[in-house]
Amino acid sequence: TQLLEQSPQFLSIQEGENLTVYCNSSSVFSSLQWYRQEPGEGPVLLVTVVTGGEVKKLKRLTFQFGDARKDSSLHITAAQTGDTGLYLCAGIYGQNFVFGPGTRLSVLP
Amino acid sequence: EAGVTQFPSHSVIEKGQTVTLRCDPISGHDNLYWYRRVMGKEIKFLLHFVKESKQDESGMPNNRFLAERTGGTYSTLKVQPAELEDSGVYFCASSQEWGIIAGGADTQYFGPGTRLTVL
Repeated sequence: TQLLEQSPQFLSIQEGENLTVYCNSSSVFSSLQWYRQEPGEGPVLLVTVVTGGEVKKLKRLTFQFGDARKDSSLHITAAQTGDTGLYLCAGIYGQNFVFGPGTRLSVLP
Repeated sequence: EAGVTQFPSHSVIEKGQTVTLRCDPISGHDNLYWYRRVMGKEIKFLLHFVKESKQDESGMPNNRFLAERTGGTYSTLKVQPAELEDSGVYFCASSQEWGIIAGGADTQYFGPGTRLTVL
């Protein structure tokens, strides 16, 4: 049983489209993080959300933490081919760091 | 500043052999972590060093896995003897602090991973 679930598992869109990916849990997290991973590399941190209801923007990326701190979303506006990659959510659960399975995004030119 | 480095990038071994993975964290980072992703699964925590001490090794799958961090600098992860189910990508990460720290001092920086294939 995965503590963090992500949807969709795969997403293929055209350049310029908008998209939202989700990270859900039945457990409360004190914070959640979003990472992007490209082939042959390790995950790279994009953002950390800490407060329930918090919204953070990073250029065309908007991250939201659910009010109950059990879920988070990542919205990308006007996707570019450079956004292609594996998007992972992660958080501290107990003393450990747990990851979701990821959403593999492919942005086509 | 150099990032986290891992060696080798790929390793192919036969079942029953021994493999040692190495991780060099970012200089000055006391916290070092090992993670593993097996095919089709999420990245899973293996263990956490603070300097040379094992802070948490609850994620280590069994006693065939041995991690060390002598002198609190680089770390090694040895698998002996390797089994088929050990195949996957092993990531190392390092951070200055652990937990939720203002200013991002707890940010984990990941290495590129070692892809281990056990035949």
